[in-house]
Amino acid sequence: DAGVTQSPTHLIKTRGQQVTLRCSPKSGHDTVSWYQQALGQGPQFIFQYYEEEERQRGNFPDRFSGHQFPNYSSELNVNALLLGDSALYLCASSLWLAKNIQYFGAGTRLSVL
Amino acid sequence: GESVGLHLPTLSVQEGDNSIINCAYSNSASDYFIWYKQESGKGPQFIIDIRSNMDKRQGQRVTVLLNKTVKHLSLQIAATQPGDSAVYFCAECVSGTASKLTFGTGTRLQVTL
Repeated sequence: DAGVTQSPTHLIKTRGQQVTLRCSPKSGHDTVSWYQQALGQGPQFIFQYYEEEERQRGNFPDRFSGHQFPNYSSELNVNALLLGDSALYLCASSLWLAKNIQYFGAGTRLSVL
Repeated sequence: GESVGLHLPTLSVQEGDNSIINCAYSNSASDYFIWYKQESGKGPQFIIDIRSNMDKRQGQRVTVLLNKTVKHLSLQIAATQPGDSAVYFCAECVSGTASKLTFGTGTRLQVTL
């Protein structure tokens, strides 16, 4: 039974570029949440997807957008990258009916130069 | 591996001793709490959870205590082992339509031999 998988594991971009990160939820899970974790800090909630719709959003600008596919996998897109977007991006999956019990992937480390 | 938290509060414990990690949460409406363990280069790993209608819950070698009056959580690890070395985060959640997790700042646990 595969856990939450994220790709790529590492990514280097330059300011102004766009990036897409991918997440496959744990088998049987239907809800995906994305978090940003800056070095030395706890994860910060970006948004949550269920039934291909954004259900809740944290305090992040519109440059951050997402998508959920019919197979429950998800993408996080960040446009016009800033140096401050450098962080570990974590995907967490859960069941909608138990959406607060979230299981995390290993994350994608994004470096913006 | 890359360090998760470079400037986090650190608790040093000798192998075999008990560890107590504390967390203050902010939202009095939070009704669900989780402790996560994050090792270097990995995503947060679920350890134990507790609902607001409980004040204590025990797992294997771990106990979580909840004091709603002062909005305080603690994680007790019995007979601490070298494999327990990691950064520990508490997370709070308000159950509802969508349940984002709000993470604390984290505590680094160092187990000395």
